Amino acid sequence: EAGVAQSPRYKIIEKRQSVAFWCNPISGHATLYWYQQILGQGPKLLIQFQNNGVVDDSQLPKDRFSAERLKGVDSTLKIQPAKLEDSAVYLCACRVGHTNTGELFFGEGSRLTVL
Amino acid sequence: AQSVSQHNHHVILSEAASLELGCNYSYGGTVNLFWYVQYPGQHLQLLLKYFSGDPLVKGIKGFEAEFIKSKFSFNLRKPSVQWSDTAEYFCAVNVVGNNDMRFGAGTRLTVKP
Repeated sequence: EAGVAQSPRYKIIEKRQSVAFWCNPISGHATLYWYQQILGQGPKLLIQFQNNGVVDDSQLPKDRFSAERLKGVDSTLKIQPAKLEDSAVYLCACRVGHTNTGELFFGEGSRLTVL
Repeated sequence: AQSVSQHNHHVILSEAASLELGCNYSYGGTVNLFWYVQYPGQHLQLLLKYFSGDPLVKGIKGFEAEFIKSKFSFNLRKPSVQWSDTAEYFCAVNVVGNNDMRFGAGTRLTVKP
């Protein structure tokens, strides 16, 4: 079974530039999450999708972050404009089915450095 | 505030030493509990989980964890660590009925050969 694919693995940009991250979850996993992991901290939820609908985006900084999941499969997370404090690893995770239980399967993450 | 607390930021052990990593949470209601591990350069992967039943759960690679409801704790243990256990360990809590999974700050384990 293929895992969660994310790209790019690494990205370096200057502040005020924009960046986009892509995630392809495990086939059949209806629920998709984007987490932000700042160095030295645990992952923090940014947004959760169920199929192509947003379930929870309460912690997404909507003035600069946006995400979409067209057709309920792949997802993109965009930051525009980036700030220094956005330097982090952006993790995509997915979960089987529509329940709120069960483990999450994570991708390897996209490491963003904002200079 | 609702949170997941991991008390040890960095633990250094010699091989064959015993390990216990603390995890406490402050969420009410029924919870599902998880320990994830992140080996250097790899993605987060599940070590073990507790949903219900026997509060002592066994995971992969000889790890186990005990859910103590009265203490809101889910400590991770291993009787004898190996060099290959060097990794970062994250405790996570999912309140049943809520959407997200909340993670602790992580504990970095270094095992000296």
